[in-house]
Amino acid sequence: GNSVTQMEGPVTLSEEAFLTINCTYTATGYPSLFWYVQYPGEGLQLLLKATKADDKGSNKGFEATYRKETTSFHLEKGSVQVSDSAVYFCALLNNQAGTALIFGKGTTLSVSS
Amino acid sequence: DSGVTQTPKHLITATGQRVTLRCSPRSGDLSVYWYQQSLDQGLQFLIHYYNGEERAKGNILERFSAQQFPDLHSELNLSSLELGDSALYFCASSVADSGGTLIHEQYFGPGTRLTVT
Repeated sequence: GNSVTQMEGPVTLSEEAFLTINCTYTATGYPSLFWYVQYPGEGLQLLLKATKADDKGSNKGFEATYRKETTSFHLEKGSVQVSDSAVYFCALLNNQAGTALIFGKGTTLSVSS
Repeated sequence: DSGVTQTPKHLITATGQRVTLRCSPRSGDLSVYWYQQSLDQGLQFLIHYYNGEERAKGNILERFSAQQFPDLHSELNLSSLELGDSALYFCASSVADSGGTLIHEQYFGPGTRLTVT
């Protein structure tokens, strides 16, 4: 079936540190991949997406590359800020298998100044 | 702001009761999805409507039902509530139903936090 596995958190970093949150997936066919972010007390916001192999999604300094050979979509940011503290969810959408987003369990990021 | 609105923001009710959660999709979006977020289950897909018709069901309990109205807003009805139904309920919308060759991202509302006491 389809599934998403994210690294367990929490991830605690100092401001301006480099961030990597690992995400791997299992899917039949060619899913689209997404990163969503949930700030405290808010809903999910789409952060970035990639719809085919080798695509790189990027937004607000975050980026992730769709790697089919390793079935991965790791989220990276070169220099995190305190305002990046949130929960990050990796998700896939496989239109061959349905219409639902399948989410990982989420990774909490805490950035201190 | 995603453009998806949900009401109410918070809901506190007792076991055995029935509640209705409301969602208005982004202007122009025909698809509405409902998700449940709980600490133990994470984010789980409940149901998808496209232009008034049910398109897909996930792990939705028989006590739960939904509909999408002609103006495209949607309601999620939860009945015979149990303590375990306490969760954050999200609505999301997208342009299409992703049944074709195009994949459309889903935009989420702020959620309704349901507490069953």
